[in-house]
Amino acid sequence: DTGVSQDPRHKITKRGQNVTFRCDPISEHNRLYWYRQTLGQGPEFLTYFQNEAQLEKSRLLSDRFSAERPKGSFSTLEIQRTEQGDSAMYLCASGGQINEQFFGPGTRLTVL
Amino acid sequence: QQQVKQSPQSLIVQKGGISIINCAYENTAFDYFPWYQQFPGKGPALLIAIRPDVSEKKEGRFTISFNKSAKQFSLHIMDSQPGDSATYFCAAKSFFGNEKLTFGTGTRLTIIP
Repeated sequence: DTGVSQDPRHKITKRGQNVTFRCDPISEHNRLYWYRQTLGQGPEFLTYFQNEAQLEKSRLLSDRFSAERPKGSFSTLEIQRTEQGDSAMYLCASGGQINEQFFGPGTRLTVL
Repeated sequence: QQQVKQSPQSLIVQKGGISIINCAYENTAFDYFPWYQQFPGKGPALLIAIRPDVSEKKEGRFTISFNKSAKQFSLHIMDSQPGDSATYFCAAKSFFGNEKLTFGTGTRLTIIP
């Protein structure tokens, strides 16, 4: 257990619905990352926060995706108008000492 | 564009043997190279990492070998155990202030008795 928690662990939704995921990083870490992992692939970077500021966004993060970290603690990732191609594991990572990233257990999204 | 190439895709090793997984990168701005272990249904767990100023780093049964001129690095698992059966990912991060990790495609390792 890395100390990074994600909720929910599994989400099944119908196409077109909105979903929101939460990540609670390790308390003393000010860096927080979101990645997406599809079956048989490595995680792909989505976005990065330092404290409450969103400093990097991947081109993978379409306008249907939005992430927030309002008080520099927990973060949420929302996907609007879900599509079947959004089905994946959504991973949150917490940034410790320089470079280190510790991943949470992930949220498995299935879009029907 | 795949910036980190990982091989093999799958690997079967006998218990007690040495497991070797290789990665190659293209971007010379990469300066941090971690390895992650992932079990089914779990998030990746950081195993060991190296910077390019050293050629080898060892932690317990896990060793990273790094060849800067060849732009290659590898993970060696000594005395491999059935509990090591998992998917392993190499990754790399640039020093240009870009915080993202770029991952390889993974190696599914199976340790047989």
